[in-house]
Amino acid sequence: KQEVTQIPAALSVPEGENLVLNCSFTDSAIYNLQWFRQDPGKGLTSLLLIQSSQREQTSGRLNASLDKSSGRSTLYIAASQPGDSATYLCAVPNYGGSQGNLIFGKGTKLSVKP
Amino acid sequence: GAVVSQHPSRVICKSGTSVKIECRSLDFQATTMFWYRQFPKQSLMLMATSNEGSKATYEQGVEKDKFLINHASLTLSTLTVTSAHPEDSSFYICSARDKPLQETQYFGPGTRLLVL
Repeated sequence: KQEVTQIPAALSVPEGENLVLNCSFTDSAIYNLQWFRQDPGKGLTSLLLIQSSQREQTSGRLNASLDKSSGRSTLYIAASQPGDSATYLCAVPNYGGSQGNLIFGKGTKLSVKP
Repeated sequence: GAVVSQHPSRVICKSGTSVKIECRSLDFQATTMFWYRQFPKQSLMLMATSNEGSKATYEQGVEKDKFLINHASLTLSTLTVTSAHPEDSSFYICSARDKPLQETQYFGPGTRLLVL
């Protein structure tokens, strides 16, 4: 059964710092991996999707990497800003159960202090 | 990009009443919709998978008679929480997919349910 773990659970950094969020998954046979952002009491915003054949994806100040063999992904945020404060979730598709639902980690709550 | 809406965004109800939550894909046809539930400081957990024109598939531990799902059209799925209890208070999020398994899902903004 696929399990997704995210560390740290919470992270507080001063504005301007570069930071890395970690995601690990137990079953390396994934098709893709997604990083989402969730603001308090809100839905999910997709940030990056990495296909299994890719090593990384970049969008602005965000860079996500994927190492399938080790079951890990990282989300790198450059020059963090207070507006980056949110919970970041990673998720992989579940093909062992329902038709492609996503299995989520518990998230990393990021706080960027001005 | 594809947009998924949910209504209502927030609902407060008395214990024992039923609440209906709608999930709509606004600019695409969703052959499959997923319903997730998120308790405070927990991750999203799949409740059920809804396919247009067929019965929903429920995850283990989710009572199908309590959480009624109807996917009546390619753009609308509804989740009805019947005889709601305080422990049903949670954040309910739907997602919709219009392409094969390798494509992304589009998430609704979520519905906050509070049962008094």
